[in-house]
Amino acid sequence: AQSVTQLDSQVPVFEEAPVELRCNYSSSVSVYLFWYVQYPNQGLQLLLKYLSGSTLVKGINGFEAEFNKSQTSFHLRKPSVHISDTAEYFCAVSDSGGYQKVTFGTGTKLQVIP
Amino acid sequence: KAGVTQTPRYLIKTRGQQVTLSCSPISGHRSVSWYQQTPGQGLQFLFEYFSETQRNKGNFPGRFSGRQFSNSRSEMNVSTLELGDSALYLCASSLGTGRTDTQYFGPGTRLTVL
Repeated sequence: AQSVTQLDSQVPVFEEAPVELRCNYSSSVSVYLFWYVQYPNQGLQLLLKYLSGSTLVKGINGFEAEFNKSQTSFHLRKPSVHISDTAEYFCAVSDSGGYQKVTFGTGTKLQVIP
Repeated sequence: KAGVTQTPRYLIKTRGQQVTLSCSPISGHRSVSWYQQTPGQGLQFLFEYFSETQRNKGNFPGRFSGRQFSNSRSEMNVSTLELGDSALYLCASSLGTGRTDTQYFGPGTRLTVL
């Protein structure tokens, strides 16, 4: 069975500061990893995904994530956050359990402080 | 292309009633997945439909059911509503060809059970 752990439920950060949102996964087989963002009263939007190849994945809005197989981690980073990045971020994993059976983490609320 | 649409956006029901939620996927997408999002449990996978067939199922009671029509539109039904069914119900569509597909989420239907 697959699982995802997001270690921080809330992360406050000042505007223009860097941020890292942590994600660890557990799976017995190879995985595909995703980061989604959810703005208030909206659905989820894909930020980036790791399927294979380079372990550094670049996504939209200046976000990037690094896949670390030995540490089973897929942390999300941004070098300089903006007020508009205030949202909830979800890490997700998909393995061979099913075509679209995606398991989500519990989410991390990023609050950017002006 | 138009995005994923969900109707209605908000719904208030009382215990014991039943409810039907609708999801229209992006044109050309054949897979529709449903998720329940609550503050306590996070995002939980309900089921996935592909070409009118349920392909994957999460761990929810039989009160939760769904179907998909030939045009890929999907409906989700919850019978005998309980207070704990209050949640944001999200649907996501994708091409449905494999685990690497990107899921595109709708804005959700906010269900409140009184």
